[in-house]
Amino acid sequence: EPEVTQTPSHQVTQMGQEVILRCVPISNHLYFYWYRQILGQKVEFLVSFYNNEISEKSEIFDDQFSVERPDGSNFTLKIRSTKLEDSAMYFCASSEYRDRYMNTEAFFGQGTRLTVV
Amino acid sequence: AQKVTQAQTEISVVEKEDVTLDCVYETRDTTYYLFWYKQPPSGELVFLIRRNSFDEQNEISGRYSWNFQKSTSSFNFTITASQVVDSAVYFCALRPFSGGYNKLIFGAGTRLAVHP
Repeated sequence: EPEVTQTPSHQVTQMGQEVILRCVPISNHLYFYWYRQILGQKVEFLVSFYNNEISEKSEIFDDQFSVERPDGSNFTLKIRSTKLEDSAMYFCASSEYRDRYMNTEAFFGQGTRLTVV
Repeated sequence: AQKVTQAQTEISVVEKEDVTLDCVYETRDTTYYLFWYKQPPSGELVFLIRRNSFDEQNEISGRYSWNFQKSTSSFNFTITASQVVDSAVYFCALRPFSGGYNKLIFGAGTRLAVHP
């Protein structure tokens, strides 16, 4: 069964360092997302991406964050200068494109646990 | 406001008991989708069900059933004859029509522990 895959599963980085989290969405999906979950808390939307551009972003997704689809398969989230409070589980998700307004359910990857020390 | 409330933080049951997880949502939209996701101890988010706002039929899938009531803005999830493998955190989520077409708004989750 097709699935969203994320690498690495766990990343430890020093405060101030840049990190890139990688995702391979399901191959026929056209909408991509990043969410994060701080330990023990709710899952929060960061950004959605369609047609090579951001379609929506939350207030969490500030200038420290960027997303990219560098080739036909990968979707990346970059954090330029990590802070302690960026420590969280980051989930990538993808969904099929149905129409401009309503897409299908999002399928999530297994997550990347980012620990900033 | 667009919001999802899962008032039950933790529920503990013994195997074979039935358990209902509550979800109440707020949205100004007349068109929206509701979802349930399961997060087992391994951490991934597993899609369980999607329901659109025009379809109030209840749904049953094996031991799982969902009760959608627009009159009370609720979308509750019942597990019948619970099993230890059902132990997980369950998230209810809302995707409104207006504004962010593809953004899921999650509730805080309910941690379900099923004991043998």
